[in-house]
Amino acid sequence: GENVEQHPSTLSVQEGDSAVIKCTYSDSASNYFPWYKQELGKGPQLIIDIRSNVGEKKDQRIAVTLNKTAKHFSLHITETQPEDSAVYFCAAGDYGQNFVFGPGTRLSVLP
Amino acid sequence: DAGVIQSPRHEVTEMGQEVTLRCKPISGHNSLFWYRQTMMRGLELLIYFNNNVPIDDSGMPEDRFSAKMPNASFSTLKIQPSEPRDSAVYFCASSLGALEAEAFFGQGTRLTVV
Repeated sequence: GENVEQHPSTLSVQEGDSAVIKCTYSDSASNYFPWYKQELGKGPQLIIDIRSNVGEKKDQRIAVTLNKTAKHFSLHITETQPEDSAVYFCAAGDYGQNFVFGPGTRLSVLP
Repeated sequence: DAGVIQSPRHEVTEMGQEVTLRCKPISGHNSLFWYRQTMMRGLELLIYFNNNVPIDDSGMPEDRFSAKMPNASFSTLKIQPSEPRDSAVYFCASSLGALEAEAFFGQGTRLTVV
């Protein structure tokens, strides 16, 4: 089955700096890679996703890159703000089926 | 729409007791997912329903866990008997269509079994 690793487990950045979170997956058949943001006391919320036929996708301050050959994908947040502080989860799997979540990264944006 | 509504938000129960978690999906969504989140195992899919029918329950950890969806607007996750290792946050999510990828999550139920 699919196995997803995520690094780092915690990340602190100064407000305005960029943050990068990296994930690797094991199943080469996976074709869908979503990213979720979970704020304290709330459920995960989908913030961006990418499919295997795309190498990069951007939505305002967040972007995701995918390297299918190396089986890794990354989340990039630019111009970080305090409200970006949360736990971020990557996931990998089949778009039409279930997918596996990474263990999460706790991001702290320091004012 | 109020989003996915879960109740209770917090539950503390004694080992051996029955626990029932409830979920009201977003109106019009026809898929519903139950997840468990722990520090050790992260976020795990337990079971999901499509049009009120259980499609995949391979994530349900033991026979002590059961889930039902009697109608399109209500689902329950029951643990009987509960054990301390069941302590976790349980999330319900719903989606339009069968895609887990587009599911909206509720705020979760924090279960503590003592």
